[in-house]
Amino acid sequence: QSVLTQPPSVSGAPGQRVTISCTGRSSNIGAGYDVYWYQQQLPGTAPKLLIYANSNRPSGVPDRFSGSKSGTSASLAITGLQAEDEADYYCQSYDTSLSGRVFGGGTKLTVL
Amino acid sequence: EVQLVESGGGLVKPGGSLRLSCVASGFTFSNAWMTWVRQAPGKGLEWVGRIKSKTDGGTTDYAAPVKGRFTISRDDSKNTLYLQMNSLQTEDTALYYCTTRDGCYDWGQGTRVTVSS
Repeated sequence: QSVLTQPPSVSGAPGQRVTISCTGRSSNIGAGYDVYWYQQQLPGTAPKLLIYANSNRPSGVPDRFSGSKSGTSASLAITGLQAEDEADYYCQSYDTSLSGRVFGGGTKLTVL
Repeated sequence: EVQLVESGGGLVKPGGSLRLSCVASGFTFSNAWMTWVRQAPGKGLEWVGRIKSKTDGGTTDYAAPVKGRFTISRDDSKNTLYLQMNSLQTEDTALYYCTTRDGCYDWGQGTRVTVSS
């Protein structure tokens, strides 16, 4: 059980907007530590950084992807859903009680 | 372009040891904090540990499940990151990724470690 909680799965139709939550605690997100988001298209393939420092997109990531953070939680929003967005998504942050980084359990996005 | 190439994975018996390597290129390796992340079959991502740059002290931090058994080191002259894994357990079976910085900005393709008798 990860200290960052994500829903196991979300789904949406092409063109729709979906959000993926990442719920933490006062020892991680709530303490002000940045949140990162990754996309892994297939298990066993290298994840890709989607969002860094809560809401920033690396170059090359479409602006359909956006991140936000509030209190002890963070969210990844994907607008204009496309078939290629079907993947596993993970959040990550630092936890003071663990003295290290932690990942959320991951969320599988299905494009209907 | 950042490139990270891991190697050294393989099949090892419980209690055995293995050393993984990650050769980096496309950025100033000596200035970079580097992180190892693993993914067990069918499971999510798990942070293994991190080493700071020498200019930032070169210190390491580890996840609880590997602390005392795994050691991260670096050779800046060879642009290479290492993960020495001792007292391996079946639960250490995973794909091991080398990544850049605390935020895991860039990822290698991973090297597979299987611990089995």
